[in-house]
Amino acid sequence: GEDVEQSLFLSVREGDSSVINCTYTDSSSTYLYWYKQEPGAGLQLLTYIFSNMDMKQDQRLTVLLNKKDKHLSLRIADTQTGDSAIYFCSGGGADGLTFGKGTHLIIQP
Amino acid sequence: NAGVTQTPKFQVLKTGQSMTLQCAQDMNHNSMYWYRQDPGMGLRLIYYSASEGTTDKGEVPNGYNVSRLNKREFSLRLESAAPSQTSVYFCASWTGNEQYFGPGTRLTVT
Repeated sequence: GEDVEQSLFLSVREGDSSVINCTYTDSSSTYLYWYKQEPGAGLQLLTYIFSNMDMKQDQRLTVLLNKKDKHLSLRIADTQTGDSAIYFCSGGGADGLTFGKGTHLIIQP
Repeated sequence: NAGVTQTPKFQVLKTGQSMTLQCAQDMNHNSMYWYRQDPGMGLRLIYYSASEGTTDKGEVPNGYNVSRLNKREFSLRLESAAPSQTSVYFCASWTGNEQYFGPGTRLTVT
């Protein structure tokens, strides 16, 4: 099965860019996802990328996929206090997703 | 269009008690899923159902049973709850390219 690894914490200053990184093992994942979870809440899908794409941009979010290195990143431009949350990388498809343990994004004023 | 709904929101059980977590979706999706989330962990797949009448085990199925009652509903049953099953349980359905999650059920087993 898939293993997904993420660093546990990232601290950035408000207004800077945040880059959250993820590595995965299963190259057969059809889709790769980034989810956001605020304290006590469910998961909110931020964005996803097909496994045959290299990059996807959606407003302040940019996803980069390096298939050779099995590395996925999420860049959040102009990070705001409302971006403070746990960000989960996941991969898979119709038969279920495998999640990393999540990266806590901490925003410094 | 309520999306994915889960009941109850919170539940406390004693060891050995049984209960069923309910999930329903009104988006006409074929595939549905149950995950659990433990503190400091990502979600782990318990069971999924690709269509009405079919179910398959995920990563952590032990101690659970599921029923795909119809296209809308997918329930998760704990026959004899154990403290190790204290967790937040999320149900999801598959849109064709993403999973859409419910709000979760927070279960504590004492």
